[in-house]
Amino acid sequence: SYELIQPPSVSVSPGQTARIICSADALSTQNAFWYQQKPGQVPVLLIYRDTERPSGIPERFSGSSSGTTVTLTISGVRAEDEADYYCQSADSSGTLVVFGGGTKLTVL
Amino acid sequence: EVQLVQSGGEVKKSGESLKISCKVSGYSFTSYWIGWVRQRPGKGLEWMGIIYPIDSETRYSPSFQGQVIISADKSINTAYLQWNRLKASDTAMYYCVRPVGNSNGWYWGQGTLVTVSS
Repeated sequence: SYELIQPPSVSVSPGQTARIICSADALSTQNAFWYQQKPGQVPVLLIYRDTERPSGIPERFSGSSSGTTVTLTISGVRAEDEADYYCQSADSSGTLVVFGGGTKLTVL
Repeated sequence: EVQLVQSGGEVKKSGESLKISCKVSGYSFTSYWIGWVRQRPGKGLEWMGIIYPIDSETRYSPSFQGQVIISADKSINTAYLQWNRLKASDTAMYYCVRPVGNSNGWYWGQGTLVTVSS
């Protein structure tokens, strides 16, 4: 089955930059999305179409894409950014939605 | 304002049936598909499938094909997720979602917690 691969965890100190990578073959042709989820809350869209940021999302969140990899970058990490982060895309046909396994960001 | 309002939490026993709902407002129900996402306790997000309310065409993720039924009622702007025989492993939070235009992300319902005891 098709999968998006993310690291299970990333740790960073406040003020530093966190990068979360998501990898899969079809990411070279399919749009990627990033969601933030805090405990007990509904996921929040951070990035759409690889690099676009919805209104209301702080500029410290950015997305990039290169080949079969997409990256969520959080600059100047704050304690409030501690959460689970999920990438989401589709298979090469575009018909099957798929999520990455999620990355737990710990702010030290 | 687009809203997806899901039905309340459920506590059921293994083998029982269940149908949860997602009532939408603020747009034409038949203009966008509705999808369902599962999140088991302490686990990640899983895509279950979608329905196109205009003709009730459904597409299921292979992992959920034959395990659940997705349906919709255009007359009351509501989508459903249904189980004929629940299992303890169905215990999870279930979210309905709707796309925000074309590849602009999704709107999310508030979630329905389903708890199944064995």
